[in-house]
Amino acid sequence: GDSVTQMEGPVTLSEEAFLTINCTYTATGYPSLFWYVQYPGEGLQLLLKATKADDKGSNKGFEATYRKETTSFHLEKGSVQVSDSAVYFCALSSFPNQGGKLIFGQGTELSVKP
Amino acid sequence: EAQVTQNPRYLITVTGKKLTVTCSQNMNHEYMSWYRQDPGLGLRQIYYSMNVEVTDKGDVPEGYKVSRKEKRNFPLILESPSPNQTSLYFCASSLSTGGGPYEQYFGPGTRLTVT
Repeated sequence: GDSVTQMEGPVTLSEEAFLTINCTYTATGYPSLFWYVQYPGEGLQLLLKATKADDKGSNKGFEATYRKETTSFHLEKGSVQVSDSAVYFCALSSFPNQGGKLIFGQGTELSVKP
Repeated sequence: EAQVTQNPRYLITVTGKKLTVTCSQNMNHEYMSWYRQDPGLGLRQIYYSMNVEVTDKGDVPEGYKVSRKEKRNFPLILESPSPNQTSLYFCASSLSTGGGPYEQYFGPGTRLTVT
């Protein structure tokens, strides 16, 4: 079945460091790909998305490019801030859609130190 | 404000005592879903509903029930909770399932502990 694999955390960075969180997927259809962020004590919020190969999603300085040839959707940010500390989830939704299900990776915890 | 609300936010209960977690959305979304979040496993879908009176099982439905009598509400029912249902639960909604990349909006979560 479809699946998502993320790099394990926790990831600890200093403020202004470059961030990469790796995400790879397995899917039989034509998935849309998402990054969700979960701040402490809160629900998940959509950070960015890409719906087809070579699309780049971007938001709040974060970027991810849908790479079909490597089945990847790595999250990057050039300069992280303390306020970026959160858990990041990579997810996919396949077409034909499996009941609208989002399939999530296990999450990567990011901690940014001043 | 567009939102998904869940109640209660925290619940501690004992094995076998029936409970209901409510979920409500004010965005007129057709699609609603329940997920549970467990360490190292990410989020897994429990049940989903494509519209009123239409519900179906997700990946981990055992021990749970749902109903969708109104478009805005999608309660999660645990008839006889067990300790392995201790988890963080999220309700989500989106405009439509239709194969499209519609954003799912998540509630704030309900942390359930079953002793």
